[in-house]
Amino acid sequence: DQQVKQNSPSLSVQEGRISILNCDYTNSMFDYFLWYKKYPAEGPTFLISISSIKDKNEDGRFTVFLNKSAKHLSLHIVPSQPGDSAVYFCAASARIQGAQKLVFGQGTRLTINP
Amino acid sequence: DAMVIQNPRYQVTQFGKPVTLSCSQTLNHNVMYWYQQKSSQAPKLLFHYYDKDFNNEADTPDNFQSRRPNTSFCFLDIRSPGLGDAAMYLCATSTLDGYQPQHFGDGTRLSIL
Repeated sequence: DQQVKQNSPSLSVQEGRISILNCDYTNSMFDYFLWYKKYPAEGPTFLISISSIKDKNEDGRFTVFLNKSAKHLSLHIVPSQPGDSAVYFCAASARIQGAQKLVFGQGTRLTINP
Repeated sequence: DAMVIQNPRYQVTQFGKPVTLSCSQTLNHNVMYWYQQKSSQAPKLLFHYYDKDFNNEADTPDNFQSRRPNTSFCFLDIRSPGLGDAAMYLCATSTLDGYQPQHFGDGTRLSIL
């Protein structure tokens, strides 16, 4: 049972345009959501997050939107740059036994074309 | 820079031969996690330490063990690796604040011969 899903394994976007990555979740207990970026041979790097009490969080070119009723979040990157080419993981968090337990989606490979 | 460091980056072991992966952190975080990521799949939590308290995920095989001798170090021991254990193993740390991100190391890629 996959609690966090990224339905698009890959996405190709022209440089300068908007990239939109999507993520759906099923568990209402999740209260914190994160996006991580991963380059080959490196660990995931934290990009941006949002708590369940908000519906939008913005950091420079990156904006995350949360729609709790639809159990859906999205990451917008604008304008997209070639350095944004990477695999993006959506993760959802619930606090259990004093720790933050993350459930990851399977990732979306974003390619930015010059 | 404060960080999470995993050693070695690449590990090759023989089928059934015990192997230990290591993780160290300079962030002084209370919580340390181990994840397994197989090719084209999502990272999957194996277990975590909250200080010295060990918390195993229900579906983590008994073959996988962990040790945390102090705040800075955490080890993943695979007692008898099988071919299905070939994967990337990721270590992460976090504070007790549930609204702060986990910080990941660059992982150890484990191959089984």
